[in-house]
Amino acid sequence: GIQVEQSPPDLILQEGANSTLRCNFSDSVNNLQWFHQNPWGQLINLFYIPSGTKQNGRLSATTVATERYSLLYISSSQTTDSGVYFCAVFKSGGGADGLTFGKGTHLIIQP
Amino acid sequence: ETGVTQTPRHLVMGMTNKKSLKCEQHLGHNAMYWYKQSAKKPLELMFVYNFKEQTENNSVPSRFSPECPNSSHLFLHLHTLQPEDSALYLCASSQEALGGGATREQFFGPGTRLTVL
Repeated sequence: GIQVEQSPPDLILQEGANSTLRCNFSDSVNNLQWFHQNPWGQLINLFYIPSGTKQNGRLSATTVATERYSLLYISSSQTTDSGVYFCAVFKSGGGADGLTFGKGTHLIIQP
Repeated sequence: ETGVTQTPRHLVMGMTNKKSLKCEQHLGHNAMYWYKQSAKKPLELMFVYNFKEQTENNSVPSRFSPECPNSSHLFLHLHTLQPEDSALYLCASSQEALGGGATREQFFGPGTRLTVL
């Protein structure tokens, strides 16, 4: 099946800093999503981005499908941005009918 | 209610108990999913229902039994679980084309945190 690797695994930043999270995947994909998991376990949708660039406030994401990676940018970090960020993908005919998740990036924003 | 809801939010059960987890989606979607998140493993897909038909059983032990009576409701029946089954169980839904796949955006419920004693 498709492999998803996220980096870095852990990231500690001061409030106000910018960050870039990376997601590499091993094959072409039909679906790529970025999620933020809050301390209570809820997965919050950030972006549905199988290709191209999107922006939502301080967050933006870019997926370069031909090179099999996606980047999530967080600007002017706030303490509420802390949590785990997951990348998840789906490939038609890839052996699974649901999303394959990476291991996540654990982000801590210090005041 | 909006989005995807799950009940109960927390569940503690013994290894001989039988319990059920419930998921309901209010988004008009036609595909529903169960995922498991353990402490030591990444989120992993368990079951997929597309147009109420099960299209995926990701090598899940038979002590987990899914049920999808209609496109809005999904259950996970649990019996004779093991302590290693303790995990966060997440339900998701999406609007897919006939034929399956997970090409569209998935939306997740808040999860049920299960502890097996």
